[in-house]
Amino acid sequence: RKEVEQDPGPFNVPEGATVAFNCTYSNSASQSFFWYRQDCRKEPKLLMSVYSSGNEDGRFTAQLNRASQYISLLIRDSKLSDSATYLCVVNEGGGSQGNLIFGKGTKLSVKP
Amino acid sequence: DVKVTQSSRYLVKRTGEKVFLECVQDMDHENMFWYRQDPGLGLRLIYFSYDVKMKEKGDIPEGYSVSREKKERFSLILESASTNQTSMYLCASFGSSYEQYFGPGTRLTVT
Repeated sequence: RKEVEQDPGPFNVPEGATVAFNCTYSNSASQSFFWYRQDCRKEPKLLMSVYSSGNEDGRFTAQLNRASQYISLLIRDSKLSDSATYLCVVNEGGGSQGNLIFGKGTKLSVKP
Repeated sequence: DVKVTQSSRYLVKRTGEKVFLECVQDMDHENMFWYRQDPGLGLRLIYFSYDVKMKEKGDIPEGYSVSREKKERFSLILESASTNQTSMYLCASFGSSYEQYFGPGTRLTVT
């Protein structure tokens, strides 16, 4: 089974800090990429898709580097409410949804 | 808004009991999934279904079975619960946007 690797953290940062997470994937044929957010004792929810050209949504920026097979998530001006676990997700493609591979998540804790 | 619901948030069962976990989605999605999530192990796929009466094994199907009699409903069955099946169980459905929508989860404890 192909792997998606993330630093589990925790990343402990003060409010207002900029924090970046990386994720590596092993299957070079992977076709689409996502970041999900999971709050404690809650279900994962899609945060953003990751496009080859990079994409930004407010304080969040996602980048994809296909050559090096890694995905990044940058959070600027961290808020207390950003505290959560961030899951890197890779779709290996082929149309079958059994090909979604989840990383184990990176825990972020934003402190006042 | 897409909604995925699961029959129970918390469940306590005894070893050897047959356990049914129900999942219903209201978006007419064809693909549905069952995962379990354990600390340090992340989300692991148990079974998925891409159509009514169709099912495919995921990474850890042993000890589980599934049923998909209607498009909106996907059931996970533990034929004879064991303590190592104590976990958080998450159901998800998949739309055309490649976003998986998760249910709130069922925290199952097997004693």
